Amino acid sequence: NAGVTQTPKFQVLKTGQSMTLQCAQDMNHEYMSWYRQDPGMGLRLIHYSVGAGITDQGEVPNGYNVSRSTTEDFPLRLLSAAPSQTSVYFCASSPGWGNRYEQYFGPGTRLTVT
Amino acid sequence: GNSVTQMEGPVTLSEEAFLTINCTYTATGYPSLFWYVQYPGEGLQLLLKATKADDKGSNKGFEATYRKETTSFHLEKGSVQVSDSAVYFCARSMNRDDKIIFGKGTRLHILP
Repeated sequence: NAGVTQTPKFQVLKTGQSMTLQCAQDMNHEYMSWYRQDPGMGLRLIHYSVGAGITDQGEVPNGYNVSRSTTEDFPLRLLSAAPSQTSVYFCASSPGWGNRYEQYFGPGTRLTVT
Repeated sequence: GNSVTQMEGPVTLSEEAFLTINCTYTATGYPSLFWYVQYPGEGLQLLLKATKADDKGSNKGFEATYRKETTSFHLEKGSVQVSDSAVYFCARSMNRDDKIIFGKGTRLHILP
């Protein structure tokens, strides 16, 4: 199993551009989530999904959209990038609702918005 | 409120030293508690967990005991190695219907 994969590893955007961060898992996990990691802030939850077709907002959802059309994929879309979205983004998955706390993380995407 | 507080880093130790990274939590009820580790350039990995009071989680020589009376879950290791250099995150989950709350992380440097 590849586990949780994320692409790209690095990305530089100009203010106002849009892009999609890709996340996929091959473990048939129901629960997937997106976090951003900023210095001194720890990890903050952006959006999460408890299964295909179901998504919900986390702590810091503004400026981001998600969809979950399949169990495997959970892309994160930046609608109009802003410098405040410069961060490292992590996707995570876990086996199901009851075991949600055992999360498996991808390697991260480092995004810079200029 | 519901939060996780861990000691600020960086923490710098010599190889074979004893390690403690403090973590306290606030929550209503009885959360499950976790330590995650992030090695340079990688995502987080679950290091250990405890799901009820007085449980001890352990892995790779690390231990943490769920102390309900002090609302703490301090991470300890008796003899650290250079390869333990990483960022350590304390986290809690309330129950099966709640989200994971992470602390801000503690960077650990081990000198040879």
